Amino acid sequence: QSALTQPASVSGSPGQSITISCTGSRSDVGSYNLVSWYQQHPGKAPKLMIYEVSKRPSGVSNRFSGSKSGSTASLTISGLQAEDEADYYCCSYAGSSTYAVFGGGTKLTVL
Amino acid sequence: QVQLQESGPRLVKPSETLSLTCIVSGGSISSYYWSWIRQPPGKGLDWIGYIYYSGSTNYNPSLKSRVTISIDTSKNQFSLKLSSVTAADTAVYYCARLQDQSDAFDIWGQGTMVTVSS
Repeated sequence: QSALTQPASVSGSPGQSITISCTGSRSDVGSYNLVSWYQQHPGKAPKLMIYEVSKRPSGVSNRFSGSKSGSTASLTISGLQAEDEADYYCCSYAGSSTYAVFGGGTKLTVL
Repeated sequence: QVQLQESGPRLVKPSETLSLTCIVSGGSISSYYWSWIRQPPGKGLDWIGYIYYSGSTNYNPSLKSRVTISIDTSKNQFSLKLSSVTAADTAVYYCARLQDQSDAFDIWGQGTMVTVSS
């Protein structure tokens, strides 16, 4: 059982927007603005899409955005494209001992 | 452009020690944190631990008794050892660079599948 809770799957049509939630606790998401999001295509390594809740690394499309409210972080993808179909994982800093906890992952299907 | 490449045995017997190395190319291993993350087949990601170039380490409490991460700055590589493995340790093992300011894993290796089986 993962420390952070994500929906198992979400779907949307091309051009639409979707949001993936990531629910943690006061021990992780609720206490630190150190949430990151990763995109993983089948058989590939994860790719960093969002860090520090809402920042995008160089080269990541501005269609990807992140936010946080309390102990729940969210990833929003606007203008869905076929290439966005992948698994998405959230991750949060959880203190110096536990350090990093991941969500169970969300499979995004572009209809 | 920094790239990471994992290497090591793909098959390990139960109760033995899993050993992997991550070679860092295109940049220096110094001044960064380096991490190991694994993903069991069909499951999510699990942080194993990290090492700073100075040698300081931090491990996932659930694996701490069995994990050792070391670094060789002269060879620009770092390594993972996981002892007393069982079938539950079967996974794709990734090495990754950890940005200490953001606590995000910004560069990943391609991953290597390790199977624990007799």
